[in-house]
Parts: sequence; C-alpha cells; structure tokens
Amino acid sequence: QQQVKQSPQSLIVQKGGISIINCAYENTAFDYFPWYQQFPGKGPALLIAIRPDVSEKKEGRFTISFNKSAKQFSLHIMDSQPGDSATYFCAAGQYNFNKFYFGSGTKLNVKP
Amino acid sequence: EAQVTQNPRYLITVTGKKLTVTCSQNMNHEYMSWYRQDPGLGLRQIYYSMNVEVTDKGDVPEGYKVSRKEKRNFPLILESPSPNQTSLYFCASSPAIPNYGYTFGSGTRLTVV
Repeated sequence: QQQVKQSPQSLIVQKGGISIINCAYENTAFDYFPWYQQFPGKGPALLIAIRPDVSEKKEGRFTISFNKSAKQFSLHIMDSQPGDSATYFCAAGQYNFNKFYFGSGTKLNVKP
Repeated sequence: EAQVTQNPRYLITVTGKKLTVTCSQNMNHEYMSWYRQDPGLGLRQIYYSMNVEVTDKGDVPEGYKVSRKEKRNFPLILESPSPNQTSLYFCASSPAIPNYGYTFGSGTRLTVV
C-alpha cells in the first residue's frame, strides 16, 4: 500500500511559469512533510519542509501548501527557472520516530 | 565537508555473486538508511539503523542484509543478487531527530545480469 501518492509523474513548464506538484497521504499520525530535490547523478537533498500546525511555508520561490483536513500538500515553484529542472520527491512521516515514506517522484522540465 | 560516501558508483554483476555496497558518513549521525529508487516507484526503504548494532527492516528488505558495527558505516549486502535487484541505491543519514532532513549519498547504480 502506497503511503504517499504524488502527481504528476512528469511536468513541463515554461521559464517564468508556476510549477505545482501534489501529494496526498492517509496516515493521520504523520506530522512532518519534507520535499526533496534531486538533480541527475546526485542524491536527493532537502528543499523545504512543513509541520501540520501551519497551512503554508515559503522559502524564496518555493512554497508548500498544506491542507490537513484533505490530507494533501503541494509544492509550488514560482517563476520557474531552467535550473529548477530536477526530480522532486515529497515525503511524509513521523518526525520524532524518524520514519518517512516517499512519493513516487515528479520529473520537472523547465523550458527556456 | 559533511557527506555520505557510497561505493562503488556503478556496478555490474552476475546473478548469485555476493556483493557489498559500502556507505560511510562523517557527521556522527545516529540514523542511517538504505533506499532503492526505481522509475515510477520513488524511493523505497530497504533497511535502517537507529544506532550502532540496532537495525530494522524497511518496506522492501527481501534479498538484502545490513550491519552497523560502527557508527559511521552501514554496508548493504546482497548475498545472492537477482535481476530484480537491478536498481539505483541510495544511502542516507541524519541525526536521531532529522531536524535538517536526510543527507543522501550520490547513489550506486547496480545492474544484475
């Protein structure tokens, strides 16, 4: 059973556009929702993370929106740049238990 | 530089030939974990370790073994590799509470023929 469902699988966005990646989870015990960014040939790296006590977190051009009642969260990349082209993974889990499940990944291609 | 180092980066082997993928971290992290990455399936956890001599199964442990004899090292052992273990493998580490998320290695591309 997939703990975290991520969509879309791939995404093409024009430079300057908004990229949106969505994730959904089922386990209401999950209390930490990180996003990881992975460039080709590299391991994933933490991009931004949110706890469920807030509905939105913004860091530069990257924003997480969180809907606790719907058990959904999304990553918005504003003013997308070719350098943002990468695979993005959402994750969800229990922070104090250090147990997380990853989504299936979204390959983002930002066209110049 | 704080990092997780995996070796080898690429490996082609034959079915049934035992192999070990090494993982080492220099951040004194308590937690270490192995993942496999497959297209459309994302990152799936194989095994993890909360500290020295403490290991536990993840979501896809079949066909793999691990050990944690030292805090810095967490090798992944495939005793009898099969073609369905062809994948991209990542080692990750973090403090016991992952306040800065996981630090991942650069990956090991394994092909079993």
